[in-house]
Amino acid sequence: QITLKESGPTLVKPTQTLTLTCTFSGFSLSTTGVGVGWIRQPPGKALEWLALIYWHDDKRYSPSLQSRLTITKDTSKKQVVLTMTNMDPVDTATYFCAHTLRDISSASAGAGGRDMNWGFDPWGQGTLVTVSS
Amino acid sequence: DIQMTQSPSSLSASVGDRVTITCRASQSISNYLNWYQQKPGKAPKLLIYVASSLQSGVPSRFSGSGSGTAFTLTISSLQPEDFATYYCQQSYRTPGTFGQGTKVEIK
Repeated sequence: QITLKESGPTLVKPTQTLTLTCTFSGFSLSTTGVGVGWIRQPPGKALEWLALIYWHDDKRYSPSLQSRLTITKDTSKKQVVLTMTNMDPVDTATYFCAHTLRDISSASAGAGGRDMNWGFDPWGQGTLVTVSS
Repeated sequence: DIQMTQSPSSLSASVGDRVTITCRASQSISNYLNWYQQKPGKAPKLLIYVASSLQSGVPSRFSGSGSGTAFTLTISSLQPEDFATYYCQQSYRTPGTFGQGTKVEIK
């Protein structure tokens, strides 16, 4: 059974750096095809894709947030860490991490901007981060 | 970024109704289109992946179709537990953009 759980601060001040940890079980991030992504959801709003890291350290970021995001993995600890710099009140949201599998049967998966995965499943429960002074 | 547009944004339906939600991509995404269900205060749940594959454990009343830029999610007979918000997401190119959601409410 695959499970994921997010952890980190619930309150950060504007301009501070947010560090979130996703601790998972039931799979290995060294297995071919496996990835872990981060998605956020402001209160009452839609889901927003943030970043994703794959088994071979392929890292992908939302272009609009790329300058502020860093995603890393610690395979032995079964953790993925997302850092977001220069936090602003508009970054107030529930942050989720989730497991994915790349479609490695496709020769073009991962090339030229293509990702080609089978969606996020399962998701962690999410953690609400509020940005306020 | 690839833009994903869902319609309608909300709908009211009765138990037993057939419900269809559409999702359109701003460019071709082959069949890399996923559908999620989200209930208030909960994480999204994957229903359909790569346009038409039913995720394990998901009831067969849910089905998906489409390719290229146009996709649909159909609930053949709406059940009380299906009242929720549904999101489409493309996983063809980075970033894996989501639609704005469709809220399915009780009529």
